[in-house]
Amino acid sequence: SQKIEQNSEALNIQEGKTATLTCNYTNYSPAYLQWYRQDPGRGPVFLLLIRENEKEKRKERLKVTFDTTLKQSLFHITASQPADSATYLCALRNTGNQFYFGTGTSLTVIP
Amino acid sequence: GAVVSQHPSRVICKSGTSVKIECRSLDFQATTMFWYRQFPKQSLMLMATSNEGSKATYEQGVEKDKFLINHASLTLSTLTVTSAHPEDSSFYICSARGQNFYEQYFGPGTRLTVT
Repeated sequence: SQKIEQNSEALNIQEGKTATLTCNYTNYSPAYLQWYRQDPGRGPVFLLLIRENEKEKRKERLKVTFDTTLKQSLFHITASQPADSATYLCALRNTGNQFYFGTGTSLTVIP
Repeated sequence: GAVVSQHPSRVICKSGTSVKIECRSLDFQATTMFWYRQFPKQSLMLMATSNEGSKATYEQGVEKDKFLINHASLTLSTLTVTSAHPEDSSFYICSARGQNFYEQYFGPGTRLTVT
């Protein structure tokens, strides 16, 4: 069966440290993968997209890697801040053009 | 930037009634819109893909007669939950894909409570 799993349901880190979130998928062959941020009671907000032929993408304090051999994407937030506290979702686009979301990781940055 | 609105943001209805949720792309045309539902502390589950002017494509296990989707224009899609039951209570989120094929923009969501 198809699965998109994110490493842990919740992650707590100290302010200033780097947060690393994991997204693993099985039985998909995504052309690209995306990461979203979702705050409570709100819709997701797009952060980054990485294509299957790209190894790494950066945007300010955010970095995403994509390993199609391992079927894994890592999402890093460097110099984390309390304002980064939210739920982060990875999403894949399948061949039918739909997006499927992972289970999400709730990140809390402790001051 | 691309903005997607949803109306209403919250709705409470009685069991057996129908509820309509609107999804609008405010500053772009969306040929494709998606409807998701999300239970507390869970991820988004795709319900259906809606293309302007054609019938929606429903995901496996989603009842098309219960969740009616109409994508009547390039800026509006509606989801009608018919004969609502308490188990339909959830957070419903729409998204729209604009000219940039790779991105989709999400609405703020609609909290439906069926009593």
